[in-house]
Amino acid sequence: DGGITQSPKYLFRKEGQNVTLSCEQNLNHDAMYWYRQDPGQGLRLIYYSQIVNDFQKGDIAEGYSVSREKKESFPLTVTSAQKNPTAFYLCASSIRGATNEKLFFGSGTQLSVL
Amino acid sequence: EDKVVQSPLSLVVHEGDTVTLNCSYEVTNFRSLLWYKQEKKAPTFLFMLTSSGIEKKSGRLSSILDKKELFSILNITATQTGDSAIYLCAVVFYGQNFVFGPGTRLSVLP
Repeated sequence: DGGITQSPKYLFRKEGQNVTLSCEQNLNHDAMYWYRQDPGQGLRLIYYSQIVNDFQKGDIAEGYSVSREKKESFPLTVTSAQKNPTAFYLCASSIRGATNEKLFFGSGTQLSVL
Repeated sequence: EDKVVQSPLSLVVHEGDTVTLNCSYEVTNFRSLLWYKQEKKAPTFLFMLTSSGIEKKSGRLSSILDKKELFSILNITATQTGDSAIYLCAVVFYGQNFVFGPGTRLSVLP
């Protein structure tokens, strides 16, 4: 089955620690995205990538980093510089340039600080 | 600055009620508007709207777009407890990405 797989489902971070959230897709989509969702709020864009080896900052990129070495994979690292990382993180993908472009989402990772 | 606003932010109804969720936007280079339903984790796609005045329907759900007044509504008739979710509105614009509203949290009581 085609889809987007995020792992882990739950993640705990200690002070000063970097953690990496995994996102893999087998939809053959060019574009991938990372969103952060806080309780009672909508989705805010962290980073996005339209093509392999290229990515751009979204609205709240500070304290996060990404890589796009393969079309299928777009991991997100939450660094120690992110002072309030507790949130629900959603990865998504889409077909770039399609007239019916829409986002397909993974099941998310809940990150909490110990 | 591109912006998407949803109202109400929260809504509690009883089974059988009809609800209308609102989404307004201020976006340059508008391309389409999307509605998603988020029950637990992954948002699931409901509708894509690109043209004004054309209603999209799926069972008890329907949606319409007004590009002149820059808003969309999502209607749910004869609500059921399974409709309880966060409903997200997103606007797609040319050359960039998707801008999401804050969502409307709908609770349907038995």
